[in-house]
Amino acid sequence: DAGVTQSPTHLIKTRGQHVTLRCSPISGHKSVSWYQQVLGQGPQFIFQYYEKEERGRGNFPDRFSARQFPNYSSELNVNALLLGDSALYLCASSFGGLNTGELFFGEGSRLTVL
Amino acid sequence: AQSVAQPEDQVNVAEGNPLTVKCTYSVSGNPYLFWYVQYPNRGLQFLLKYITGDNLVKGSYGFEAEFNKSQTSFHLKKPSALVSDSALYFCAVRDTGGFKTIFGAGTRLFVKA
Repeated sequence: DAGVTQSPTHLIKTRGQHVTLRCSPISGHKSVSWYQQVLGQGPQFIFQYYEKEERGRGNFPDRFSARQFPNYSSELNVNALLLGDSALYLCASSFGGLNTGELFFGEGSRLTVL
Repeated sequence: AQSVAQPEDQVNVAEGNPLTVKCTYSVSGNPYLFWYVQYPNRGLQFLLKYITGDNLVKGSYGFEAEFNKSQTSFHLKKPSALVSDSALYFCAVRDTGGFKTIFGAGTRLFVKA
């Protein structure tokens, strides 16, 4: 079975642009979470979606938005990019929205903002 | 608010020796605790979790973790380290509401041959 897949794997943007990152969860998983990992730090929670509804939001500005589609895939959008948005963006899936299960992570999308 | 702390930025150990990576937590209610490993330029991989039951939890690749409620700790251990264990290790706690997992800053494990 395929794991969590993310695209693109690497991308370079300039300040002020916007970016869309995509994630496909493991088949059968209904929850998708997004994390930002800045070099040298632990992943920081951005969003969680379950059954196409936002269930949790981290401490990120409104420039960050996301959505989940009927097939449970998800997009993370970031507008008006800043240099500080440069990071590895990780998507993780899990079966349920409120459970004690572990997260399954994709390889991430590395965003560089120049 | 839930949080985890990993007091060591780096742990160095010789191959064949036991290793310990430390983690302390702060939660309200029952803790749901996890360990993940990250290899260079890769996503995180689940190692093990504590939800309830035995305080010693066994996981992947020979790793285990000991849950200590009185000390609010969840240290990761392995009896005999391998060079291939060298990686970045994250302790994590599930938020009480269940919707987010909070990660520590990470500990880099370096195993020398």
